[in-house]
Amino acid sequence: GENVEQHPSTLSVQEGDSAVIKCTYSDSASNYFPWYKQELGKRPQLIIDIRSNVGEKKDQRIAVTLNKTAKHFSLHITETQPEDSAVYFCAAFSGYSTLTFGKGTMLLVSP
Amino acid sequence: DGGITQSPKYLFRKEGQNVTLSCEQNLNHDAMYWYRQDPGQGLRLIYYSQIVNDFQKGDIAEGYSVSREKKESFPLTVTSAQKNPTAFYLCASSQDLPTAEAFFGQGTRLTVV
Repeated sequence: GENVEQHPSTLSVQEGDSAVIKCTYSDSASNYFPWYKQELGKRPQLIIDIRSNVGEKKDQRIAVTLNKTAKHFSLHITETQPEDSAVYFCAAFSGYSTLTFGKGTMLLVSP
Repeated sequence: DGGITQSPKYLFRKEGQNVTLSCEQNLNHDAMYWYRQDPGQGLRLIYYSQIVNDFQKGDIAEGYSVSREKKESFPLTVTSAQKNPTAFYLCASSQDLPTAEAFFGQGTRLTVV
């Protein structure tokens, strides 16, 4: 089955800095890669996703890049704000099995 | 919001008892999932179902059981065979590609007392 590795497990940045979270996956058939944000005590919610036919996608301060050859994808948050503090999960979906999640990255943005 | 509802939000169980967590969705999604969330462990898949009357074991299915008699409902039973059931349980649903976004319920926190 699919295996998704996510790094780092915790990330502390100063407000205004950029944050990068990286994930690798094992199943070359995976073709959909979402990122979820989970605030404390709340449910995970989708913030951005990318499909295998695209190398990069941006949405305001958030961007995701995908390298299919290397089987890794990354989340980039620019101009971080305290409200970006949360746990972020990457995931991979092959369409033949299930959505497999990484273990999460706790992002702390200090004012 | 999200169209997927879990109940109850908090649940206490005595050791040796089975308990059932409810998950209902009105999004007309084919696929439904149960995840367990422990600190530092991320989201671990317990069971999933891609169609009615069919379900598959995930990575940590031991001590759990599910049913999928209706498209809208995917209840999870935590049995007495689950040795460490205290955790936060999340139910999710999704359609297959091209729109594979998974929507999560608000979760059930189960505590064994």
